[in-house]
Amino acid sequence: NAGVTQTPKFQVLKTGQSMTLQCAQDMNHNSMYWYRQDPGMGLRLIYYSASEGTTDKGEVPNGYNVSRLNKREFSLRLESAAPSQTSVYFCASSGNFRGERNQPQHFGDGTRLSIL
Amino acid sequence: AQKITQTQPGMFVQEKEAVTLDCTYDTSDQSYGLFWYKQPSSGEMIFLIYQGSYDEQNATEGRYSLNFQKARKSANLVISASQLGDSAMYFCAMRAKGGATNKLIFGTGTLLAVQP
Repeated sequence: NAGVTQTPKFQVLKTGQSMTLQCAQDMNHNSMYWYRQDPGMGLRLIYYSASEGTTDKGEVPNGYNVSRLNKREFSLRLESAAPSQTSVYFCASSGNFRGERNQPQHFGDGTRLSIL
Repeated sequence: AQKITQTQPGMFVQEKEAVTLDCTYDTSDQSYGLFWYKQPSSGEMIFLIYQGSYDEQNATEGRYSLNFQKARKSANLVISASQLGDSAMYFCAMRAKGGATNKLIFGTGTLLAVQP
């Protein structure tokens, strides 16, 4: 029972390099999310997708792009990495809220990204 | 604007004692959901408990219970009979308004250390 799988687990980039973080879920969830976690700031939403083919900006979208490739996969791309994007990135998925009272998000194990 | 506040950066508790982690929230919505997640040192995010704004009873899940005081806008997590494995970061989160997704707003977290 894989749940939410993120790759890679660790990555070091140089400033200006590009990279795509991959995320896949096998729970047939409609919604998927990308968060970043910085020390002392909790998790902040970067982008989310309510369904296949739709994406929306979250709290901190600048410097990122996303693609909802299909229902299972939601990727996050850094086009030109900056040191300020050094963080731990989490992908999550959940069923849609409508009609469901309790829809906890299920998280991947995170990607630790360092940009030098 | 919606906001989650966790005022305790860190806490100690003796093994087998109960501990309360504080969480206050701010929202103008009538319908909302509150979640608690645990993040051990290994980094993954583990869903613990959920409370809906219209739930009349406080949520319980094993040793976890949620002390929900709607008028005070607080949703404190109570862990009974603490165990060494409870040492972790704990995040309170609220379902953010808008759309059909279940996107969350997180607090900054409380680091709990259980002492033998």
